[in-house]
Amino acid sequence: EVQLVESGGGLVQPGGSLRLSCAASGFSFTTYWMSWVRQAPGKGLEWVANIKQDGGDKYYVDSVKGRFTISRDNTKNALYLQMSSLRAEDTAVYHCARLDFGASVRAFDSWGQGTLVTVSS
Amino acid sequence: DIVMTQTPLSSVVTLGQSASISCRSSQSLVHSSGNTYLSWFHQRPGQPPRLLIYRVSNRFSGVPDRFSGSGAGTDFTLKISRVEAEDVGVYYCMQGTQWWTFGQGTKVEIK
Repeated sequence: EVQLVESGGGLVQPGGSLRLSCAASGFSFTTYWMSWVRQAPGKGLEWVANIKQDGGDKYYVDSVKGRFTISRDNTKNALYLQMSSLRAEDTAVYHCARLDFGASVRAFDSWGQGTLVTVSS
Repeated sequence: DIVMTQTPLSSVVTLGQSASISCRSSQSLVHSSGNTYLSWFHQRPGQPPRLLIYRVSNRFSGVPDRFSGSGAGTDFTLKISRVEAEDVGVYYCMQGTQWWTFGQGTKVEIK
């Protein structure tokens, strides 16, 4: 069974930094792209970032470029999101998601429960 | 950016009846590969989203055949036949043709 478990969320002041982690299990982590998708409280879903299997390619939504960095450690089956210069509008539940980037799907086929990040003074 | 617009934003459905949700994209979702990357997700309260349909009409593993997707170009539909109590929640369409963007969501309640 695919399991994605996020951690690292919390309350941070505007301008601050936070590092999110996602522990993956139940599948061959090294064969999948991985992603972060966020959901502001009571709002819809927003794709944040993707990372290729070997970490070589990374893509970001425009609103986080230059502030967030996605990374992975394939020896630990772990995905990370380093967030800096945080703004109030970054407040959201951050979901780790597995991305099937194959020619047939290009969708997020497994999701974690998420970790809440609150940016407030 | 491709903007995804869902209608209606909320729907009350009688148990056993059908429900339909529409999703329109601001530009064609036909990829250079010839595929159309339109997916549907279901999110129950307090749960993460779950993939239902990918590439317009393909049901993901374990998804009941009560769920069906259709459409082409910029107009797509999710149909839920014989609605059950477990179908409550919010449904999102998502395009994966040019990066990834989601619709606003459609809240489905059962009467």
